[in-house]
Order: sequence, then structure tokens, then C-alpha cells
Amino acid sequence: NAGVTQTPKFRVLKTGQSMTLLCAQDMNHEYMYWYRQDPGMGLRLIHYSVGEGTTAKGEVPDGYNVSRLKKQNFLLGLESAAPSQTSVYFCASSRGTGEYQPQHFGDGTRLSIL
Amino acid sequence: AQKITQTQPGMFVQEKEAVTLDCTYDTSDPSYGLFWYKQPSSGEMIFLIYQGSYDQQNATEGRYSLNFQKARKSANLVISASQLGDSAMYFCAMSPAAGNKLTFGGGTRVLVKP
Repeated sequence: NAGVTQTPKFRVLKTGQSMTLLCAQDMNHEYMYWYRQDPGMGLRLIHYSVGEGTTAKGEVPDGYNVSRLKKQNFLLGLESAAPSQTSVYFCASSRGTGEYQPQHFGDGTRLSIL
Repeated sequence: AQKITQTQPGMFVQEKEAVTLDCTYDTSDPSYGLFWYKQPSSGEMIFLIYQGSYDQQNATEGRYSLNFQKARKSANLVISASQLGDSAMYFCAMSPAAGNKLTFGGGTRVLVKP
């Protein structure tokens, strides 16, 4: 009963390094999302995808890129990490059929940029 | 643009008592969905309850109920018979009818006292 799986769970980077966060869902959901959560705040949408091969910008897209080459996977990339990107990153998915479907979240990735 | 406001940063509740978490929203969309999520100290985001803007009845899910007052633009969460395991952060969120992007409030931390 995996649902939404994020890897890695923790990562420490140096400023300027790059990395990719992987999100995988096994619920055959069309929509996938990447959020960031800063201390004491709610989640903010970075990028999202409404289907395989599509991506779109959310509220805070700068400094991030995404790809959805397969329906079940949604990748979040940081090309040149900055300390301001230290955060907890959540991936989510939903059926997104036009009805109101709850988003199912992964357990998060805690990312620290030094 | 959508906005969610949770004015209670934190609150205590006695075990077995009910607690109401406030949520007000602002949107120009004629149709929207309202959600509540729970985030325990372990960090995962757990979907609790959903209310559609055109739903005539307030949503209920076990011990959770949503007090939806459309004219006041409020969607308060009521947790009945609080349990120690209810101690967590609670987030109110909304999505527009078109698409399924969530906008989150800042959250309310609940601590249940034995």
C-alpha cells in the first residue's frame, strides 16, 4: 500500500550543487504536484503536472525545474541550490478528473542547503 | 487569487472535549473545494475531510465535521471527543473548480491534554 513515495527522505547540499528529488505514485493518478513547506508555514505549490509530458508553474517556481516523463513519476530538480531552498518538500497526487479529489501526499523530503 | 486564513496559531484542548479550528477563505471563483489536512509531528500530511462549495450539507468523517458557512466564507473544522493522537498541526486548504491546485493556510497547532 505504497501510495506516494518520495526519495530521498533527507539530503544536505552545498550551495551551487544540483540534485533531483523523485516522486513515484502507484494510484494511477493524472495530477501530480510539488510543494515546499518552510518552518511555521503552510505548503506552497512549486510546480504541478496534469498528465504525462505536461508541467506548469505554481506559486513559487523560481530555481526549480520539473519533468513528468512517465505518468507515475514526477521529478523536481534544483540546478544550483541556494540556502533559501532549505525546506521540506512534499510531493502529492490526485485523480484530477475535474471532480474535487483530495491530494495524497508523500512523507516529505527534508533538504538543507549549506 | 485564493487566500486561506487560520487565525489560531495554537490551542490546547482537554482530552475527550470538542475543539473548533477556524478557517476563513477568499476567492473569486464561483465553485471551489475546501479541505482539511492533519500534520503530526512525524511530518506526513493526512487528508481529513472535504467540502464542496455547492454541497448543501456539512461534511462529516467520523469525529471530524466541517462547519461550512458560505456567506461568511468560513470552513471551520470541528473535532469531537479529542484524543491524545489528535495533537498535530492542522491545515485548511482550498482548490478552484478548474484544476486541483491547493492553497494552504498557515496552520493551527493543537495540543490535547490528558
